[in-house]
Amino acid sequence: GQQVMQIPQYQHVQEGEDFTTYCNSSTTLSNIQWYKQRPGGHPVFLIQLVKSGEVKKQKRLTFQFGEAKKNSSLHITATQTTDVGTYFCAGLNQAGTALIFGKGTTLSVSS
Amino acid sequence: GAGVSQSPSNKVTEKGKDVELRCDPISGHTALYWYRQSLGQGLEFLIYFQGNSAPDKSGLPSDRFSAERTGGSVSTLTIQRTQQEDSAVYLCASSSRREGTDTQYFGPGTRLTVL
Repeated sequence: GQQVMQIPQYQHVQEGEDFTTYCNSSTTLSNIQWYKQRPGGHPVFLIQLVKSGEVKKQKRLTFQFGEAKKNSSLHITATQTTDVGTYFCAGLNQAGTALIFGKGTTLSVSS
Repeated sequence: GAGVSQSPSNKVTEKGKDVELRCDPISGHTALYWYRQSLGQGLEFLIYFQGNSAPDKSGLPSDRFSAERTGGSVSTLTIQRTQQEDSAVYLCASSSRREGTDTQYFGPGTRLTVL
């Protein structure tokens, strides 16, 4: 079945270092979404990418959607302790009815 | 309401008992989703409701799991004869499903513990 894979599963960085998480789908996606889940919290929507090769920025966060619309990345520049959490990517299932989430990348940041 | 609400926030039950989890979506959102998140794991899709259409039940792990959505609003997820492996956080999300976007707004979840 359709799968969305994320790497790495865990990442620890020193505050100020950059961080990137990668998302790969087994099938072409119509769009991809990114969510952040703080420890003890619930997932919160960050952004949606729709177009092939699309790049969007939110302050220190840069999101990319691959040309083939099968992969995506989230890059955080100069991480801060507030960036701690698990970042999930998600793509629509083949029926177009629900999001298939990756297993997430858990980011920890030490100051 | 202002956001998606779920109740109870925590539920501890004994193996073999039935449980009901409730979700109140954002008013006006036509789509409602249930997910399960085990400790340290990703989100596992369970079921999806969209308006008056037949729900997509493809994610339900067994026939012990069922869900309904009454009046296109509140939804209940029922787990019969609970097992220890059912222990997880059950998350509900709703969406307006406007064309071209499907931002999902998650509730705080119900933490289910089966002893």
